[in-house]
Amino acid sequence: GAVVSQHPSWVICKSGTSVKIECRSLDFQATTMFWYRQFPKQSLMLMATSNEGSKATYEQGVEKDKFLINHASLTLSTLTVTSAHPEDSSFYICSASNRGRAPGDTQYFGPGTRLTVL
Amino acid sequence: SQQGEEDPQALSIQEGENATMNCSYKTSINNLQWYRQNSGRGLVHLILIRSNEREKHSGRLRVTLDTSKKSSSLLITASRAADTASYFCATVSNDYKLSFGAGTTVTVRA
Repeated sequence: GAVVSQHPSWVICKSGTSVKIECRSLDFQATTMFWYRQFPKQSLMLMATSNEGSKATYEQGVEKDKFLINHASLTLSTLTVTSAHPEDSSFYICSASNRGRAPGDTQYFGPGTRLTVL
Repeated sequence: SQQGEEDPQALSIQEGENATMNCSYKTSINNLQWYRQNSGRGLVHLILIRSNEREKHSGRLRVTLDTSKKSSSLLITASRAADTASYFCATVSNDYKLSFGAGTTVTVRA
């Protein structure tokens, strides 16, 4: 149980285009979903947190107009990288929690999406 | 923001040996979690230890937590080639957010 999928697993796009990444909880309802970014050989950095049906909360330094997050249902959140540039190339990982925002809640991670912007 | 600092950055051991890695953090925590990440993949949750716990075991994994020193250690006993991965600690403070350390890359040689 508690499986999270991401699609696509990798994507290559041209500079200036937009890319949408999907995160789905397959066997549970995800009250809260999280989006992380990981640069090569570095740690995960939280970008934003979203609750179903409400606006995402972005971490400091993350441009909300560039990284659009939509948590349209209890099983789906999407991250759209708008007007992508080479510096946006990274590994994007989502996670989902079925219990909300308590400190002890477990986050279940997706397999990640490798984005390369040419 | 990144709170955890892990050492060593990299560790290479022979199959069957034990692997120990450490994590230090700066602020008070509610719990600390350890994750494994195979190359280019997502994270797998290994173990969670709460701030009022000192030690926890799960299979070949042993985690300790010393809140006075703000540090934790992860021990993998009798390592296997399949344990080759990066290991991250992540702390949770008063809110729900995970703050990850830089990770330790473990290579287990056959």
